[in-house]
Parts: sequence; structure tokens; C-alpha cells
Amino acid sequence: DVVMTQSPLSLPVTLGQPASISCRSSQSLVHSDGNTYLIWFQQRPGQSPRRLIHTVSNRDSGVPDRFSGSGSGTEFTLKISRVESEDVGVYYCMQATYWPFTFGPGTKVDIK
Amino acid sequence: QVQLVQSGAEVKKAGASVKVSCVASGHTFTTDYMHWVRQAPGQGLEWMGIINPSSSRASYAQNFQGRVTMTRDTSTATIYMELSSLRSDDTAIYYCIWGRYFDYWGQGTLVIVSS
Repeated sequence: DVVMTQSPLSLPVTLGQPASISCRSSQSLVHSDGNTYLIWFQQRPGQSPRRLIHTVSNRDSGVPDRFSGSGSGTEFTLKISRVESEDVGVYYCMQATYWPFTFGPGTKVDIK
Repeated sequence: QVQLVQSGAEVKKAGASVKVSCVASGHTFTTDYMHWVRQAPGQGLEWMGIINPSSSRASYAQNFQGRVTMTRDTSTATIYMELSSLRSDDTAIYYCIWGRYFDYWGQGTLVIVSS
């Protein structure tokens, strides 16, 4: 199975400051069709996860443009340009290139 | 916009089975895959398997092979996830998700397994 790791696992941030989460996979996530199926989810406290970004860098409808995804191969990053209070929660990366699909352990973002 | 409404919380004894339902609306039910993912209390996300509502074909994660069955009813746009031989570590929130790439999530169903 593809192992997904994230760092840091805990990220205290100051409101209005940027934040960055790293996600690494144990093998390249480039699919045979040429796409890279790396997905980011946000889970706010007490809520279901919500998809933020798919195929590395494509932001979902309704997701603020302060969220951005980048990366390739085995290394990926989720960036929040200016953290707002509603961004508190746990962020997961997930690979959907290989079965079984696997998630990272999550990064907890809270306000300092 | 897709809406997924799951069945209510369940409390089961160890060794029993549970069947969770997920009703989809706001899209054509058979146009994309659906998944089940679970989350143990205070823990991360674990993918359980995928079903093609059009063909009813399902594939399961190795960890759940032999214990999980995913089915669908096209007449009611409902998918089901049945987990058997329940253990205490199956206590979790179970989510259904619409879309090959996990587009929309249900509200989750809490399953508590007591010994």
C-alpha cells in the first residue's frame, strides 16, 4: 500500500499569517493516465471532511482562494496564504492513484 | 450539488452486524462511484471500499475483505454498507462519499460496538 505522511502533525498559527502543510507519498502518484490523484480535505471540528483540492492543485468550487495546492511525484504542499479562524481543523492528504486509497495521518491546525 | 443523507446512529454487540444506508440526491445516482470511509474516535480516515452504483460491482480494502458488503438500490438511490463480526475497534463514524475522487461526503453515521 502507498504510505502517506504529513508534516507537521500539529500547526499552531497566528491569524492572518500563512501556513503550509507537507504531504509525502511512498511512491510516485502519477497515474498511467498522466494525472496525479492527490487530494486535500479539511475537517472542521464536529463536521464531516470536505474536499478542498483535487489532482494536486485544482481548488473545489466555493473554496477560498487563500488555499492552494502544489507539488509533483511524491511531494506535495497545501498552503493557506492568510489563516482565518474558520480554517481551524484537521487537514488530510489522500492518494487516489492506487488501490487501496490511503490517507495521511492529518495535520491539526489551530490558532495560537 | 449532491446531498448524501445517512442513517442514524447504531449501538451493536460484539459479533453482530450493522447495515448503514446512504441516500443520494441532486445528481444522477449511477453516474459516478461511491465510497465508504470510517473514522475511529479521535483518529484519522480509513478507506473501506468503493461501489459502482451503475453495475453494483464493489471492491474492498484488504482490511475489510470478508466482513464488509457494499450494495445499492437504484430505485431509491441508496447505497448500503454492511459490516459483520463487529469488534470494539469497529466503533467509528462511517461516511459515504459520492464521486470517484471523493467529491461530496455524507454527515456520517456513528456505530458503537459494545462488548
